[in-house]
Amino acid sequence: DVKVTQSSRYLVKRTGEKVFLECVQDMDHENMFWYRQDPGLGLRLIYFSYDVKMKEKGDIPEGYSVSREKKERFSLILESASTNQTSMYLCASSLTGGQDGYTFGSGTRLTVV
Amino acid sequence: GEDVEQSLFLSVREGDSSVINCTYTDSSSTYLYWYKQEPGAGLQLLTYIFSNMDMKQDQRLTVLLNKKDKHLSLRIADTQTGDSAIYFCAERTGGYNKLIFGAGTRLAVHP
Repeated sequence: DVKVTQSSRYLVKRTGEKVFLECVQDMDHENMFWYRQDPGLGLRLIYFSYDVKMKEKGDIPEGYSVSREKKERFSLILESASTNQTSMYLCASSLTGGQDGYTFGSGTRLTVV
Repeated sequence: GEDVEQSLFLSVREGDSSVINCTYTDSSSTYLYWYKQEPGAGLQLLTYIFSNMDMKQDQRLTVLLNKKDKHLSLRIADTQTGDSAIYFCAERTGGYNKLIFGAGTRLAVHP
């Protein structure tokens, strides 16, 4: 019954590495979102996408990029990982106009060493 | 701009009621949401309320909305240890079903 799947639960990467975080949803949702969650800061929106090949910057896009080649998949890319990108990353999806809000994945805890 | 605020911590005794409060700024918000996050997990939708409603009840959960004061609350009756989690308030604003989240309230339930 899993609806939003994030490819990794835990990830450890080295500074300077290129990192890919993958998210797949099976609900045919138009919108997909990437957040990072840090203690005391809540959820901060990195990027979102409202359609295939479309993307919009969120509140903290610096150091990140995204890719949405297919409707069901939304990838977050850290071009050159840094220690300040150590965080919990949450993917979510939603229907445009739907009342049900977001469906979240289980999160990926990324540690950059 | 858009902003959602919550107190960061609440401690209650098992069996008591918990009330988690939230304020938001966008008066045009159509839906307001409560999410629950258990340790190490993603966020799970608990309940939501449409902006033209004052109250919504769902088993042990009661949501109250004061649109004039832009104040939302979540009451959990008969709080159990399994209710220990972080609770996020969110308002839906703008297009693309975009949600603005508060920082989350950590609920600790003690015997």
